[in-house]
Amino acid sequence: DAKTTQPNSMESNEEEPVHLPCNHSTISGTDYIHWYRQLPSQGPEYVIHGLTSNVNNRMASLAIAEDRKSSTLILHRATLRDAAVYYCSPGNQFYFGTGTSLTVIP
Amino acid sequence: NAGVTQTPKFRILKIGQSMTLQCAQDMNHNYMYWYRQDPGMGLKLIYYSVGAGITDKGEVPNGYNVSRSTTEDFPLRLELAAPSQTSVYFCASSYGTGSYNEQFFGPGTRLTVL
Repeated sequence: DAKTTQPNSMESNEEEPVHLPCNHSTISGTDYIHWYRQLPSQGPEYVIHGLTSNVNNRMASLAIAEDRKSSTLILHRATLRDAAVYYCSPGNQFYFGTGTSLTVIP
Repeated sequence: NAGVTQTPKFRILKIGQSMTLQCAQDMNHNYMYWYRQDPGMGLKLIYYSVGAGITDKGEVPNGYNVSRSTTEDFPLRLELAAPSQTSVYFCASSYGTGSYNEQFFGPGTRLTVL
């Protein structure tokens, strides 16, 4: 499984967009990229996944670099309920790094 | 659907005691996983199963055992508890493995070994 690099923490003002980056330079050509988030005292939950093209769903958007060595999770309007640790997990999803802890400021 | 359920929610063990963490899913998923999460850290894979009767080691299997006799259940056994096994344990399941299928996680079991 590809390893990942994410910033330890980020802050955002409420109702502003948030861009959460992830580097996964060792990803293989057929590996999907999944993003999960973990709210305090809960198990991780699926957010979005993609292969090559940018993806949108009701929770977020995923922008994937052309060389697929990095991706960015985009929350279009951060809310207080989005405060969580966000993990990117490429490949078989057996690897979850330390993730990015997102703080949303009211 | 209840999704992935785990019992107990909390447990305190003494060094050397044994226990089984229970995990069940009602989504008819073939694949199930056990992770541990130490404070401030990400998840580490302990064991996984690709179907009834088939299990394999993950990144940190030492001190644990698993079995998979049915599609629904995937218990994790700690034989001789040690303080290093103090952690939060998450069970997960997915329809398939590999790159496409997302995992569904249970609420976790918080284990303390004293």
